[in-house]
Amino acid sequence: EAGVAQSPRYKIIEKRQSVAFWCNPISGHATLYWYQQILGQGPKLLIQFQNNGVVDDSQLPKDRFSAERLKGVDSTLKIQPAKLEDSAVYLCASREQQGTQETQYFGPGTRLLVL
Amino acid sequence: KQEVTQIPAALSVPEGENLVLNCSFTDSAIYNLQWFRQDPGKGLTSLLLIQSSQREQTSGRLNASLDKSSGRSTLYIAASQPGDSATYLCAVRSGSARQLTFGSGTQLTVLP
Repeated sequence: EAGVAQSPRYKIIEKRQSVAFWCNPISGHATLYWYQQILGQGPKLLIQFQNNGVVDDSQLPKDRFSAERLKGVDSTLKIQPAKLEDSAVYLCASREQQGTQETQYFGPGTRLLVL
Repeated sequence: KQEVTQIPAALSVPEGENLVLNCSFTDSAIYNLQWFRQDPGKGLTSLLLIQSSQREQTSGRLNASLDKSSGRSTLYIAASQPGDSATYLCAVRSGSARQLTFGSGTQLTVLP
């Protein structure tokens, strides 16, 4: 079974520039998450999708961040314009649910550096 | 709002030692608790998942316990090896959207 795919793996941009990240979840997983992980901290949820609908985006800085999952499969996360404090690893995850078991699978992440 | 705390933030031990990592959470109304491992530059790998009705789970040299009423979990690693060096993250699933809330992790270094 293929895992969660993310691209690019690394990105360096200057502040005020725009950047986009892509995620392809595991086939058949209806739930998709984007997390932000700042160095030395645990991942923080940015947005959760169920199929192509948003379940929770309460922690997404909507003035600069946007995300979509138009066909309910892959997803993009965009930052426009980027700030220095956006430097972090952006993790995508997808979830399967079988009975009472809930297993969440994470991609390798995109490491963003804003200069 | 759920908050998860992990102590210690970093730990260095000689190879062969048994060790315990601690995790605490503020809201005991959880569905489950998960321990993850994160290697530098990589994503998260799930180690153990404990349902809210369970007290512990074991996998190889790893044993995780859950005391939901007190809001605590421990991850026990037996006979540590240099390959165990990584950051260990605790996460609880709670809330109507069944979301994971993570702690900040414990960075473990096992010295040969």
